[in-house]
Amino acid sequence: EAQVTQNPRYLITVTGKKLTVTCSQNMNHEYMSWYRQDPGLGLRQIYYSMNVEVTDKGDVPEGYKVSRKEKRNFPLILESPSPNQTSLYFCASSLRAKLRGETQYFGPGTRLLVL
Amino acid sequence: TQLLEQSPQFLSIQEGENLTVYCNSSSVFSSLQWYRQEPGEGPVLLVTVVTGGEVKKLKRLTFQFGDARKDSSLHITAAQPGDTGLYLCAGESGGSNYKLTFGKGTLLTVNP
Repeated sequence: EAQVTQNPRYLITVTGKKLTVTCSQNMNHEYMSWYRQDPGLGLRQIYYSMNVEVTDKGDVPEGYKVSRKEKRNFPLILESPSPNQTSLYFCASSLRAKLRGETQYFGPGTRLLVL
Repeated sequence: TQLLEQSPQFLSIQEGENLTVYCNSSSVFSSLQWYRQEPGEGPVLLVTVVTGGEVKKLKRLTFQFGDARKDSSLHITAAQPGDTGLYLCAGESGGSNYKLTFGKGTLLTVNP
């Protein structure tokens, strides 16, 4: 089954404790992206990657890191999480970077609480 | 940063009614997508519109892209409880730097 998977689905952590949220897709997609979704603010893009070893900042990259060493994986790293990073995080992928005619597939989400 | 304004933010209607959700911007987008998101799940793509003035139909859902590619609308005919969810529009900025901008969403509740 074609899908985007994220782990963990739920995470409670404390300020400053490094964490990684994994994202994997099995569709051989070039493009992958991370979003956070917050009440009243909607979905905002954190980072995106157009292909292996090619990443770029989205609208809210501060406090996050990403890597794209393999085509299928795009982990989101919070080196020193803070309470304002409490949010619902989504990973997404599409075959190519340009959306015209492309379908972007979203993962199920990771709900993060930073105490 | 390009902004997409969605209206209304909340909509509660009875089964069988019609409704329209709007997505407006002062910026031009190369394409615009509509998603539906259900609680506890990620957004699911409904449609992509790419040409100014384009109209696409998906069963009881009609999507329109404005002539100037700055706005879009989603019209649902004879709404059903299964249409309940968060509807999101998202615009692609085009150019060499890929960016996707989402509206804040319209939370639709269709009551039986």
